[in-house]
Amino acid sequence: GQQLNQSPQSMFIQEGEDVSMNCTSSSIFNTWLWYKQDPGEGPVLLIALYKAGELTSNGRLTAQFGITRKDSFLNISASIPSDVGIYFCAGPNYGGATNKLIFGTGTLLAVQP
Amino acid sequence: DTGVSQDPRHKITKRGQNVTFRCDPISEHNRLYWYRQTLGQGPEFLTYFQNEAQLEKSRLLSDRFSAERPKGSFSTLEIQRTEQGDSAMYLCASNELRDSPYEQYFGPGTRLTVT
Repeated sequence: GQQLNQSPQSMFIQEGEDVSMNCTSSSIFNTWLWYKQDPGEGPVLLIALYKAGELTSNGRLTAQFGITRKDSFLNISASIPSDVGIYFCAGPNYGGATNKLIFGTGTLLAVQP
Repeated sequence: DTGVSQDPRHKITKRGQNVTFRCDPISEHNRLYWYRQTLGQGPEFLTYFQNEAQLEKSRLLSDRFSAERPKGSFSTLEIQRTEQGDSAMYLCASNELRDSPYEQYFGPGTRLTVT
């Protein structure tokens, strides 16, 4: 089945640093979604990508849809303490008609003031 | 628009008891999804509804689990004879097929602890 692997598994950075994380798949995805989850809360949608090579920004966040359609990248510039959380990539499973989401393993981000 | 809401936010129950969770999707969203998330993992799909019809169930959804969306608005997820392995965060999400078929909007979740 489709699996999404994220790296790094965790990151510990200083406030103000830039962050890069990625998500890779064993199969092609036609849509990539990036979510952020705070402790005890549900995931919040950050960015949606629909076309190979697409680069999309949301404030200090920038995400890219990989050319091979098997990967995606998320960058956070000038990190701040509220960026702390777990970042998940996700994509719809095209095996059925539901567009249910397959989630990655997550990247835990810790930002030290 | 108040977003997806879930109730309760936390539930502690003893093994063998039944529990029921409620999800209210974003108004006019015709698709509603249930996911389960265990510690250190991403959410995993359980089931989904289009309007009031339950169109797919994951094999994770054993026969102790049942979900309903009787009028195509709110949904309930019931777990009968709870087991310790049912302890997890249960997440509800919704979207509108015509506007954004892939972007799903999640509620805050219900944290279930089975003792």
